[in-house]
Amino acid sequence: NAGVTQTPKFQVLKTGQSMTLQCAQDMNHEYMSWYRQDPGMGLRLIHYSVGAGITDQGEVPNGYNVSRSTTEDFPLRLLSAAPSQTSVYFCASGGGAPIRELFFGEGSRLTVL
Amino acid sequence: GENVEQHPSTLSVQEGDSAVIKCTYSDSASNYFPWYKQELGKRPQLIIDIRSNVGEKKDQRIAVTLNKTAKHFSLHITETQPEDSAVYFCAASIGGVDGLTFGKGTHLIIQP
Repeated sequence: NAGVTQTPKFQVLKTGQSMTLQCAQDMNHEYMSWYRQDPGMGLRLIHYSVGAGITDQGEVPNGYNVSRSTTEDFPLRLLSAAPSQTSVYFCASGGGAPIRELFFGEGSRLTVL
Repeated sequence: GENVEQHPSTLSVQEGDSAVIKCTYSDSASNYFPWYKQELGKRPQLIIDIRSNVGEKKDQRIAVTLNKTAKHFSLHITETQPEDSAVYFCAASIGGVDGLTFGKGTHLIIQP
């Protein structure tokens, strides 16, 4: 059972480039989300989804896009990378009613030069 | 939106002693309060949670207490061990994990 899989684990971008962080889960969870983790800032919610076709903004959505075409996948797109987006990104999913636990991926470390 | 404050940012205790981490939240409608542990270089993992209809919950050496009137909740770790060294995050939300808001984290250091 793979759980939550994120790719890539590491990425270096130049300012203005675009990229997509991939997230897939095999637990049939309806809820999926993206967080960024910065030193001293904790985990901040970027976007989340409560099911296929449904997405919503979190605390820090600017500069990021998401879509949820399937239950399994929840990609995070950076349209024009900025140095302020240098961070560790975590995808997390949850299932059940009520959802009791978030299962996190291993994280993706992104550096924007 | 919800705002979660967590203190202290760093906590150093002697092995075998107890550790207490405190959090406050702003939205009185919040009723779900989980705690996550993140070891160095690893992903966060749920260690315990509590809902607003319960004042205290224990699981072996860890316990969480909740004071809804004061809007604060705490994590208590007794008989600390080296493997307890990690960053601990408190969080709050209404209902479940939808839109869970995390505190900034506490780096717990267990001194031998």
